[in-house]
Amino acid sequence: QQQVKQSPQSLIVQKGGISIINCAYENTAFDYFPWYQQFPGKGPALLIAIRPDVSEKKEGRFTISFNKSAKQFSLHIMDSQPGDSATYFCAASKGSARQLTFGSGTQLTVLP
Amino acid sequence: DGGITQSPKYLFRKEGQNVTLSCEQNLNHDAMYWYRQDPGQGLRLIYYSQIVNDFQKGDIAEGYSVSREKKESFPLTVTSAQKNPTAFYLCASSIASNNEQFFGPGTRLTVL
Repeated sequence: QQQVKQSPQSLIVQKGGISIINCAYENTAFDYFPWYQQFPGKGPALLIAIRPDVSEKKEGRFTISFNKSAKQFSLHIMDSQPGDSATYFCAASKGSARQLTFGSGTQLTVLP
Repeated sequence: DGGITQSPKYLFRKEGQNVTLSCEQNLNHDAMYWYRQDPGQGLRLIYYSQIVNDFQKGDIAEGYSVSREKKESFPLTVTSAQKNPTAFYLCASSIASNNEQFFGPGTRLTVL
């Protein structure tokens, strides 16, 4: 049972453009929603995270938008750069268990 | 220099052999996790441990075993019972009161 659905599977954006990746979840008990960035052959690194008490969180060029009623959250990368080319994973967890459920990933390519 | 180390980076195994993947952290984190990553899929949780000498099964524990004898170490054994062990294995850790997980660089296991 896939509890976090991520789309699109792949995304190609021109340099300077906006990259948008979407995730939808089913379990309303989830209360922590991180995004991870992974480069080939490396482990994922935490990019930004949000809790459901806020609708938006921004860190530099990266913004999470959160819609609790729709059970959706998205990552926006403003002014996308070739160095942003990587695979991005959304995830969710609940309570104190700290077990993350991951989306299937989005391979982002930013063209120079 | 704090962090999570995994060794080896690449591992080859013949069918029918058990193999142990190493994960060490010097972040003084209480919790440690093992994930499996397959192409085009998100990370799936194999086992996790919140304290020394205690661990729980994740979503895909069959064919794997772990131990947590020391706070800084959480080795994963891939047994011959694991039907499709070829994958990228990631270890992560987190502090007790925080959901943020830090990942190691991964071990790529190939069964010949």
